[in-house]
Amino acid sequence: EVQLLESGGDLVQPGGSLRLSCAASGFTFISYAVSWVRQAPGKGLEWVSSISGSGGSTDYADSVKGRFTISRDNSKNTLYLQMNSLRAEDTAVYYCANVGSSHFGQFDYWGQGTLVSVSS
Amino acid sequence: SSELTQDPAVSVALGQTVRITCQGDSLRNFYASWYQQKPGQAPILVVYGKNNRPSGIPDRFSGSSSGNTASLTITGAQAEDEADYYCHSRDSGGLHLYVFGTGTKVTVL
Repeated sequence: EVQLLESGGDLVQPGGSLRLSCAASGFTFISYAVSWVRQAPGKGLEWVSSISGSGGSTDYADSVKGRFTISRDNSKNTLYLQMNSLRAEDTAVYYCANVGSSHFGQFDYWGQGTLVSVSS
Repeated sequence: SSELTQDPAVSVALGQTVRITCQGDSLRNFYASWYQQKPGQAPILVVYGKNNRPSGIPDRFSGSSSGNTASLTITGAQAEDEADYYCHSRDSGGLHLYVFGTGTKVTVL
């Protein structure tokens, strides 16, 4: 059974930093790209960042480029999101999701999310 | 980056058919995926590619596309289908770039 378990969400002040983790199990982690998606309270889904299976290729949404860094440790089956210079508008539930093996780029499985609140 | 636009809300009578549409330039080059999200829950994939359903998704969910528009059809809507639905696709300009639609709230009457 595929499982994705996010952690690291917290209340942080504007300008602060936070690192999210996503522990994966039930599939061959290194074989799949993985992504972060966020959802602000009462709002829709927003793609944040994705990383290839090897970790050698990454992409970011314009809203987080230069502030967030995605990485992965394939020896630990874990995905990370380092978030710096946090803003109030970064407040959201952050989900990790694995990208399916087909070329369609669908997000097959999702974690339950971790809440990040940015407020003074 | 691209945008995907959906109608904010639609309603459907129990047992009837509803179509949800998604429009955007990225859909001219990439297939859409569709996700269902119920309150307080993570999204789940319901349709992807030309018209593929993951294991466990009822066959009343189907997808189609034409030009810059993708559609999700629920044929014979059930009460448990009441949820938010989001389209999603790859985006041009990067191997791992993606975009989500604005979301559609489906109410089953």
